[in-house]
Amino acid sequence: AQKVTQAQTEISVVEKEDVTLDCVYETRDTTYYLFWYKQPPSGELVFLIRRNSFDEQNEISGRYSWNFQKSTSSFNFTITASQVVDSAVYFCALSEEGSNQFYFGTGTSLTVIP
Amino acid sequence: DAGVIQSPRHEVTEMGQEVTLRCKPISGHDYLFWYRQTMMRGLELLIYFNNNVPIDDSGMPEDRFSAKMPNASFSTLKIQPSEPRDSAVYFCASSGRGAYEQYFGPGTRLTVT
Repeated sequence: AQKVTQAQTEISVVEKEDVTLDCVYETRDTTYYLFWYKQPPSGELVFLIRRNSFDEQNEISGRYSWNFQKSTSSFNFTITASQVVDSAVYFCALSEEGSNQFYFGTGTSLTVIP
Repeated sequence: DAGVIQSPRHEVTEMGQEVTLRCKPISGHDYLFWYRQTMMRGLELLIYFNNNVPIDDSGMPEDRFSAKMPNASFSTLKIQPSEPRDSAVYFCASSGRGAYEQYFGPGTRLTVT
């Protein structure tokens, strides 16, 4: 079974639109961590955020915001007023404290059209 | 601060040749991970080390793949003999704590003809 599911394979939006990338995870651990990574066309994987299982506060960083809901096992990522530079593949990931295993979703390819 | 360093950035080789990929993790990071990324299979964990010791190599495809970490600042991933299906981008990543965020190198794009 997939530990991390990113159901949206590809999304296209017009510049300045808001867009939300969905991430659903599965774990039985009580202590776990959730992450988002960005992979632009240049290919590198850039770490964006880590969230701990015991901290459900939403986080905002500039145009980026993250909504963590344990009740629905989701960790969604919203980009406000999207820009062309946001075009990339975004990966959600989960790690479990007990095993140090890191699970990546299959990624969502975001295209922002000027 | 220097990030994770990988070399070479691109490698083109013929089937049957030996390929060695290199990685220098971020100083002070105790965990090092090797991944492979392809369109078909996405990101796959091949092996990871903790304090230079291999912990989980269950993702290594087969005996043609081997990885070493002789010291805290250097690791290699070797493929011998290489095959066209090994063509992929290979990433090295390091982390200060096993379950925390991993910082990735720029990757090595391997093409086996």
